Amino acid sequence: DQQVKQNSPSLSVQEGRISILNCDYTNSMFDYFLWYKKYPAEGPTFLISISSIKDKNEDGRFTVFLNKSAKHLSLHIVPSQPGDSAVYFCAARNNAGNMLTFGGGTRLMVKP
Amino acid sequence: EAGVTQFPSHSVIEKGQTVTLRCDPISGHDNLYWYRRVMGKEIKFLLHFVKESKQDESGMPNNRFLAERTGGTYSTLKVQPAELEDSGVYFCASSQDTGGLSYNEQFFGPGTRLTVL
Repeated sequence: DQQVKQNSPSLSVQEGRISILNCDYTNSMFDYFLWYKKYPAEGPTFLISISSIKDKNEDGRFTVFLNKSAKHLSLHIVPSQPGDSAVYFCAARNNAGNMLTFGGGTRLMVKP
Repeated sequence: EAGVTQFPSHSVIEKGQTVTLRCDPISGHDNLYWYRRVMGKEIKFLLHFVKESKQDESGMPNNRFLAERTGGTYSTLKVQPAELEDSGVYFCASSQDTGGLSYNEQFFGPGTRLTVL
């Protein structure tokens, strides 16, 4: 039973355009949602987070939107750059502990 | 400041052998986590240490896996005996206090790629 799902295994975007990565979850006990970015042969690197009491958090080119009623969050990257090419993992924290539950990842390719 | 380090970076062993993975967290981080990613799928939680104590080991797959964190510094994860399905990338992460109502970032190491033949 996968509690966090990323239904798009890959996404290709032109440089300068917007990248939108989506994530769905099922567990109402999640209180924080996060996006991690992963390059090959490296560990995941924290990108941005959002508390369950908010609906938007912005950090430079990265914005995360949370729709609690739909149990859906998305990461917007604008403008996209070739260096953004990586695998992006959506993750969620259960308010009963600090473990993270990850989605399967979406591979983003930004073409010059 | 050094990040989370893991050793070895790669390990290839035969089914039935024993392997020990090591993780050195960021200095001062009381919280240490083990995760693994199998066959390119999602990253799954294995267990969580607070200092030397196991806070949550609900993700450990079976009793062939043994994690320790003696002295509350580095941690080891031993797989004995290894099976084919144990192949994957094992990540370690560390964080400061969990902070309760706030989120304290978990910093991940580069992972150990384990291949069981």
